[in-house]
Amino acid sequence: QKEVEQNSGPLSVPEGAIASLNCTYSDRVSQSFFWYRQYSGKSPELIMSIYSNGDKEDGRFTAQLNKASQYVSLLIRDSQPSDSATYLCAVNLKTSYDKVIFGPGTSLSVIP
Amino acid sequence: DVKVTQSSRYLVKRTGEKVFLECVQDMDHENMFWYRQDPGLGLRLIYFSYDVKMKEKGDIPEGYSVSREKKERFSLILESASTNQTSMYLCATELGLYEQYFGPGTRLTVT
Repeated sequence: QKEVEQNSGPLSVPEGAIASLNCTYSDRVSQSFFWYRQYSGKSPELIMSIYSNGDKEDGRFTAQLNKASQYVSLLIRDSQPSDSATYLCAVNLKTSYDKVIFGPGTSLSVIP
Repeated sequence: DVKVTQSSRYLVKRTGEKVFLECVQDMDHENMFWYRQDPGLGLRLIYFSYDVKMKEKGDIPEGYSVSREKKERFSLILESASTNQTSMYLCATELGLYEQYFGPGTRLTVT
């Protein structure tokens, strides 16, 4: 099992809809979870961090964490074409040295 | 705002050349990282540093070395560039709680 897994997509949603991006991880003791947005040809940009079970909202973005299920998700409400990007899930793993592991990313396309 | 700069956005080098990629941050962060990103392989950690003159190997250190003489500067060195090192190279710094901030990246082509 890979340490951090995401559906590669592409995920296509119509403008104004909710986009749901999912991520699972293998390390039960992980404590820190992140979502990065990466536009084509650009570097990843941190958009959300979450450390506790439950939901964390920031504008149109909501991160959801369920440590028992080893699952973290990102919801984007009222999706806009400018949200079209690859979204990387990142998890702090403690199985080897203490580091952050990035998932492969999910490509999101918001159709006008 | 965290500012991380990298010396070049695009770089073309020949096989066998020694290549220096520089990363500078202005936020006094202790931790700095070098990744490469390739289609289908995602982000892979090459080296990282938690302090001046300190370095640790990441997952793919072969063919690379690093230097950190000053806190704000972390350099990645390709001792003898090869075509399989053609990639996007990303530097990142880390604030507390593992939040990483990336520079704009250097797209390196080795011919």
